[in-house]
Amino acid sequence: AQSVTQLDSHVSVSEGTPVLLRCNYSSSYSPSLFWYVQHPNKGLQLLLKYTSAATLVKGINGFEAEFKKSETSFHLTKPSAHMSDAAEYFCVVSDNNYNNNDMRFGAGTRLTVKP
Amino acid sequence: DVKVTQSSRYLVKRTGEKVFLECVQDMDHENMFWYRQDPGLGLRLIYFSYDVKMKEKGDIPEGYSVSREKKERFSLILESASTNQTSMYLCASSWGLSGQTQYFGPGTRLLVL
Repeated sequence: AQSVTQLDSHVSVSEGTPVLLRCNYSSSYSPSLFWYVQHPNKGLQLLLKYTSAATLVKGINGFEAEFKKSETSFHLTKPSAHMSDAAEYFCVVSDNNYNNNDMRFGAGTRLTVKP
Repeated sequence: DVKVTQSSRYLVKRTGEKVFLECVQDMDHENMFWYRQDPGLGLRLIYFSYDVKMKEKGDIPEGYSVSREKKERFSLILESASTNQTSMYLCASSWGLSGQTQYFGPGTRLLVL
């Protein structure tokens, strides 16, 4: 069965510095992986998605993530944090087991951006 | 753009009341989902539906029921609200069950007194 672990519950960065949010997964199949962002009192919005094409995936708002099969990781990065990036971020894995609802959400990482 | 709407952003109910949360999507998605979100626990799946009148239990179905009479509408029902059901409730929809992007509504923050 698939699972996902977000290694940090809270990350704090200064504006203009790089962002790294870490996600490890386990999967029995060739997985799909997602990052979602949730701003305060809002629903989740898709940032980016990996589906076995290019291992480096570019998303919205300057975020990107790299699928590393050997490390079973899908870390989210951004070169330069902006105040508007302050939010909660969720990593999600799916086994692509088409007959089942197999989306598994991580516990979330709260990103704080200091001025 | 896919749009998922939820009937209320904030609700305050009393213990024992019957509570209805409604979700509507406009993209003809087959699948709809109800999650609850609590600090430190991430999103937990309550129920999902893969077709009209079809439903499946998620990870935490106890104390909840659902209804899907029309494809675009998925309702979550708390038969007798309790204080431990105070939470943020999120609805989502998608084309497929596995490996497909889920589109989320804005959430309903429910307080049960």
